[in-house]
Amino acid sequence: EVQLVESGGGLVQPGGSLRLSCAASGFTFSAYSMSWVRQAPGRGLEWVATINKDASNIYYVDSVKGRFTISRDNAKNSLYLQMNSLRAEETAVYYCARDSSGWSRDYWGQGTLVTVSS
Amino acid sequence: QSALTQPPSASGSPGQSVTLSCTGTNSDVGGYNAVSWYQQYPGKAPKLMIYEVSKRPSGVPDRFSGSKSGNTASLTVSGLQAGDEADYYCSSYGGRSNLVFGGGTKLTVL
Repeated sequence: EVQLVESGGGLVQPGGSLRLSCAASGFTFSAYSMSWVRQAPGRGLEWVATINKDASNIYYVDSVKGRFTISRDNAKNSLYLQMNSLRAEETAVYYCARDSSGWSRDYWGQGTLVTVSS
Repeated sequence: QSALTQPPSASGSPGQSVTLSCTGTNSDVGGYNAVSWYQQYPGKAPKLMIYEVSKRPSGVPDRFSGSKSGNTASLTVSGLQAGDEADYYCSSYGGRSNLVFGGGTKLTVL
């Protein structure tokens, strides 16, 4: 059974940093691209970043470029998102998701809540 | 990259069919066969319902179908059931390695 479990969320002040983790199991992690998608309270989904199988290609939404870094450790079956210079409007549930055909995301974690507030 | 446009709400009675729309541009929806649809219950993670415009993942009932015409994609839910009441989001490849989502449609089963 495919499982994705996020961790690392919490309360952080504006301008602060946080590192999210996603532990994957039930599939060959190194064979898939992975993504982070966020959802602000009461709002829609927003794609944040994608990393391919061997981390040779990485993509970000424009609003996080230069501040967020997606990475992975295939030996540990883990995906990460380092978030720096956080803004209040980035308060959201952050989901990790497995990439599939046609830019779809076929499995999602339960999400981890990041609250940016003073 | 602008979000795709979805009506905020839609409704139908049990047994009826309802079609949800997702409008983009020729730079996203109209330019690629990379439209997906997700179902999300409150407080839960999204679930993939349709990918590549009209393909259903294993386990998704065939009451759910997808299509596209020009810059507008559609999700049709036939034989509406109470359990179909949820938020539905579309997404599309937006070029330059970007993924764009719609704002979501809240489907109510009357």
